[in-house]
Amino acid sequence: SYELTQPLSVSVALGQTARITCGANNIGSKNVHWYQQMPGQAPVLVIYRDSNRPSGIPERFSGSNSGNTATLTISRAQAGDEADYFCQVWDIITVFGGGTKLTVL
Amino acid sequence: EVQLLESGGGLVQPGGSLRLSCAASGFTFSSYAMSWVRQAPGKGLEWVSTISGSGGSTYYADSVKGRFTISRDNSKNTLDLQMNSLRAEDTAVYFCAKVVGSSAGPYHFDYWGQGTLVTVSS
Repeated sequence: SYELTQPLSVSVALGQTARITCGANNIGSKNVHWYQQMPGQAPVLVIYRDSNRPSGIPERFSGSNSGNTATLTISRAQAGDEADYFCQVWDIITVFGGGTKLTVL
Repeated sequence: EVQLLESGGGLVQPGGSLRLSCAASGFTFSSYAMSWVRQAPGKGLEWVSTISGSGGSTYYADSVKGRFTISRDNSKNTLDLQMNSLRAEDTAVYFCAKVVGSSAGPYHFDYWGQGTLVTVSS
């Protein structure tokens, strides 16, 4: 089965840029979607099809996907960005990454 | 405004059954595939099942195939998950999610409910 690998945690200083990766074999050939989940809350779609932002998601959130790595980039990180982030692809079935906890210092 | 509201969770003994429901509003329910995704305590997200907009096509994760049944009532805008032969490893928060794309894939989820907790324990 297709596996997505995310770092368990990423830390970023307030106002700096956070990058969260999602690794898999030839993931660049697939559409990658990203979800933000605050503690005790439902996931929220923040990036779809590699680099598209749903309405209401700040421009600070961006995505890229190439080769074996997809990346969610959060610019000018804020305290309110602290959350778990999950990547997702479709490969015969829906597959999620294990999630990355973002800490804003 | 899209709203998804799950209900039906609770404590059940191993081997028991439970039926979850998701009430949808704010969009043309029958036009969209819907899914159930679960999250074990402190763990990541796991896709469980997807159903097409008409209800004619269903898909299941191997971990629940033969035990869970997804269904929908487009006249009532509701999505259900019948869970039988429950195991301790089925303990999780169950989210319903609105699908963007074909139920056969590829797709992603643009709206999620708040989830309902299922605990399987004796």
